[in-house]
Amino acid sequence: DAKTTQPTSMDCAEGRAANLPCNHSTISGNEYVYWYRQIHSQGPQYIIHGLKNNETNEMASLIITEDRKSSTLILPHATLRDTAVYYCIASFKLTFGKGTLLTVNP
Amino acid sequence: DTGVSQDPRHKITKRGQNVTFRCDPISEHNRLYWYRQTLGQGPEFLTYFQNEAQLEKSRLLSDRFSAERPKGSFSTLEIQRTEQGDSAMYLCASSYLAVPNTEAFFGQGTRLTVV
Repeated sequence: DAKTTQPTSMDCAEGRAANLPCNHSTISGNEYVYWYRQIHSQGPQYIIHGLKNNETNEMASLIITEDRKSSTLILPHATLRDTAVYYCIASFKLTFGKGTLLTVNP
Repeated sequence: DTGVSQDPRHKITKRGQNVTFRCDPISEHNRLYWYRQTLGQGPEFLTYFQNEAQLEKSRLLSDRFSAERPKGSFSTLEIQRTEQGDSAMYLCASSYLAVPNTEAFFGQGTRLTVV
């Protein structure tokens, strides 16, 4: 099971795109990348997941590099309500790590 | 279906007491996961079930912890002889095995405080 590495924190201006990176250099060929976010005192909220193709849904886009060793979650127009801790994981049977605290500033 | 439900949302207990938490997964979800989350940390995997079978347990799950999913539907997590270090948020998640690599959905958690 692959471990993931994320920056501890990032800032983004409201209305701008937020690009959150994740390194998963040990990911195996059949492991998906999942992104969740957690707002204080709530359970993690699913955002998006993918294997090797880029994915987009109503919340975000996921860009996975061709070698699958890293990915980027893109929130195209960040709002104040997107302030949260964002987690990138490759397996539900692993500890999530500390994630990235994204702060969206007005 | 309103999602994954956890009960209670909050529990305060005295050290040494036993506590039990319940998780009701999304209907037809046959995989169920338990996690523990302490302040400032991400969720830590504890164990997971596929239907009624407990398939994997983390080394974090000491002998004082036990989880069950007797009929493959709801699950319980019991902590015996609670310690102050058990104070944490306990999260449950479920997913549908029939759809490979599908996402898991989380409940709102049970916050345990041991005094």
